Amino acid sequence: GAGVSQSPSNKVTEKGKDVELRCDPISGHTALYWYRQRLGQGLEFLIYFQGNSAPDKSGLPSDRFSAERTGESVSTLTIQRTQQEDSAVYLCASSLSLAGVGTGELFFGEGSRLTVL
Amino acid sequence: GDSVTQMEGPVTLSEEACLTINCTYTATGYPSLFWYVQYPGEGLQLLLKATKADDKGSNKGFEATYRKETTSFHLEKGSVQVSDSAVYFCALTPSGAGSYQLTFGKGTKLSVIP
Repeated sequence: GAGVSQSPSNKVTEKGKDVELRCDPISGHTALYWYRQRLGQGLEFLIYFQGNSAPDKSGLPSDRFSAERTGESVSTLTIQRTQQEDSAVYLCASSLSLAGVGTGELFFGEGSRLTVL
Repeated sequence: GDSVTQMEGPVTLSEEACLTINCTYTATGYPSLFWYVQYPGEGLQLLLKATKADDKGSNKGFEATYRKETTSFHLEKGSVQVSDSAVYFCALTPSGAGSYQLTFGKGTKLSVIP
């Protein structure tokens, strides 16, 4: 498709299980971002990737969170040993370059809603 | 650190009513300011932006003016339509190089009834 695609759209898991969320950015977009939105909160920055440069992981809340991206393709966000406070909507966005943040030319997916029981 | 505060929702208006969604921010320097909108079943998308003080962003009948003196970026529309029903997010990105993180408000859900 033409937009940012995320899967699964909904995921329910038990506390302590690992989950993997996938983001397929717009073709040609070198920058990719992950955000999360917990209930009643604003979007929180988690991590961004820019081409083959080292990612900015400064927003990852704990070492249970990790993300990978190979080149300019798909990214996966992995949460190990999930906790109830991890319940949130996880949003992925992509842009042609990091400059897209300053120009507002970010394209968001619909998000993956994670519920940890 | 930087922060964005926007009015709590939900907001319910009748069609053709006036809309104002308040947004204030805390940041050093001169951040760029944005309003993003999320329509039902869709991803967030940029609605309008302003990159310096006194700039006015506008799109689809919505306007917001960058007010440095009051650190505000309120979203306004003179006559809302049912199709404007969505969640609206105010956001900022810091000024200067190397600033690639957006800081968002909590979002305000708007429902417009016929």
